[in-house]
Amino acid sequence: AQKITQTQPGMFVQEKEAVTLDCTYDTSDPSYGLFWYKQPSSGEMIFLIYQGSYDQQNATEGRYSLNFQKARKSANLVISASQLGDSAMYFCAMRVSWGGADGLTFGKGTHLIIQP
Amino acid sequence: EAQVTQNPRYLITVTGKKLTVTCSQNMNHEYMSWYRQDPGLGLRQIYYSMNVEVTDKGDVPEGYKVSRKEKRNFPLILESPSPNQTSLYFCASSSTQGSRETQYFGPGTRLLVL
Repeated sequence: AQKITQTQPGMFVQEKEAVTLDCTYDTSDPSYGLFWYKQPSSGEMIFLIYQGSYDQQNATEGRYSLNFQKARKSANLVISASQLGDSAMYFCAMRVSWGGADGLTFGKGTHLIIQP
Repeated sequence: EAQVTQNPRYLITVTGKKLTVTCSQNMNHEYMSWYRQDPGLGLRQIYYSMNVEVTDKGDVPEGYKVSRKEKRNFPLILESPSPNQTSLYFCASSSTQGSRETQYFGPGTRLLVL
């Protein structure tokens, strides 16, 4: 069975600093996808970034990048130049079985608070 | 605009009164799914659908039903709701373009069962 672990329940970060949110995963399937979502206090789930297990390069989307270390089974999210609006819950998720049959397995999340 | 919509957004009901939460996507996605989110438990998959008339159980299907008669709609049915089904529910649909995949979530439905 697959598992996602986020070891940081909460983080306080100064505005404009870079942030790294940790995520480790466990699966025996060689083909999988890793996702990061942001959930603000309003409740919606906002897709941030995706990394496929066969992708050679780390994914980047604007201020978000994914530090993918396959041998260590880690997929940390890096937010550069944090902003007050980045305060939210952040979830790491994994999907195995291309085609989405197994759905997403989520971590417990990290509550990020950006301080002015 | 590509989106997943859910209705209602908020619902308070009583034990045993059947209810349906609708979900619709306008992206022609084949794959759709339902999740519930509970404090301390995170998001867990309830049901998913690979295509029209193809549905299957996720991790926590007890007490729920789904149907997929059309590609765009994937309603979640609670035949006899109970208080332990009080939760935040998300519908999602996904697309795969080459090696890139995106899962789009609806805005969520907050359900309180008294």
